[in-house]
Amino acid sequence: DAKTTQPNSMESNEEEPVHLPCNHSTISGTDYIHWYRQLPSQGPEYVIHGLTSNVNNRMASLAIAEDRKSSTLILHRATLRDAAVYYCILGEQGAQKLVFGQGTRLTINP
Amino acid sequence: DTAVSQTPKYLVTQMGNDKSIKCEQNLGHDTMYWYKQDSKKFLKIMFSYNNKELIINETVPNRFSPKSPDKAHLNLHINSLELGDSAVYFCASSQGSQREEGETQYFGPGTRLLVL
Repeated sequence: DAKTTQPNSMESNEEEPVHLPCNHSTISGTDYIHWYRQLPSQGPEYVIHGLTSNVNNRMASLAIAEDRKSSTLILHRATLRDAAVYYCILGEQGAQKLVFGQGTRLTINP
Repeated sequence: DTAVSQTPKYLVTQMGNDKSIKCEQNLGHDTMYWYKQDSKKFLKIMFSYNNKELIINETVPNRFSPKSPDKAHLNLHINSLELGDSAVYFCASSQGSQREEGETQYFGPGTRLLVL
């Protein structure tokens, strides 16, 4: 299973943008980059995914480096509700299982 | 309506007992999963079923037996519970269409199992 590397923890302030980095230097050409997050005492929830181009949805944006060896999840305006563990996961083409790493614990200060 | 539900939410039991955790999804999905999150918070897949057929079994002890009576339900039965089985167990589901980019998985709220 392809590996990702994320900082253990990050801190930001409410209403400020947050950039969560992820390194995946061994990514293969067909691996998709998925982000999930886990709020306290809840199950993981899907955030966003992409292959090569940057992606936007109502929750976040995903910026993917040109060489695809890294990506950044962007929360444009963090709220207290965004405090969670964020997981960057590589998905092999057609694969159904998610391989979770340790993720980044994001703390939002009021 | 809860998309993926699990019962019970909490389960405290003695070593050696047999227990079951139930999972139901009302999303019309074909694929369901069980994940285990241990005390160090690592989430690992245990099983995956597609249309009631086992498709992933990730080196889980035989004491764990998933059962899928229909594609909306995937229950987890655990025999002879051990201290190390204490964890949070998450059920998830996905569409099952095996799209190229993989599938979005929808997780339940978790079942917190404590074995004494």
